Amino acid sequence: DQQVKQNSPSLSVQEGRISILNCDYTNSMFDYFLWYKKYPAEGPTFLISISSIKDKNEDGRFTVFLNKSAKHLSLHIVPSQPGDSAVYFCAASGENSGYALNFGKGTSLLVTP
Amino acid sequence: DAGVTQSPTHLIKTRGQQVTLRCSPKSGHDTVSWYQQALGQGPQFIFQYYEEEERQRGNFPDRFSGHQFPNYSSELNVNALLLGDSALYLCASSLASTLGWNEQFFGPGTRLTVL
Repeated sequence: DQQVKQNSPSLSVQEGRISILNCDYTNSMFDYFLWYKKYPAEGPTFLISISSIKDKNEDGRFTVFLNKSAKHLSLHIVPSQPGDSAVYFCAASGENSGYALNFGKGTSLLVTP
Repeated sequence: DAGVTQSPTHLIKTRGQQVTLRCSPKSGHDTVSWYQQALGQGPQFIFQYYEEEERQRGNFPDRFSGHQFPNYSSELNVNALLLGDSALYLCASSLASTLGWNEQFFGPGTRLTVL
């Protein structure tokens, strides 16, 4: 069963605007969440993470928000740039999943000029 | 500083054959995880190696086995290949002491096609 869900397979945003990518999870034992970006023919690249003790983490243009009660997290990219066009994966881990990262299916972001 | 490297880049095999994929972790890392990414899916955890032993395993059959060497590099072996084993196989490395944060660094992957 899919414990991490990214319900939007694709998203198109204009350059300079905000991109919001969403992720839901079902396992309440997850306590650490990550976002990875993947370009074609490359492996996933770590982008930003958040621990369950926080509800927000910022790194430059990237901010991740965590709503534990809703089991929902989102990645905000402001402002969006054409180079941000990639597939974004949400991943989660926790005590009962051990060392494994549980990934969503990804959201393909296209930033148009 | 070399990142995670994997070989080969691409591989074509036929059903029933066996395959070995190789991974060298990022410099300074001691833990290697393997993931399978089927088309249109997110990566699925296969297993993780630390101190030359399998520390955790995902929901994959025994046809999938691995090994970690003293230099921390790792191999993934798949026996009796099935068409459904066609996928991108990703290796990720991390440092055990930071595992609580679980920031795993991925290689470019090996694209396996089973005919």
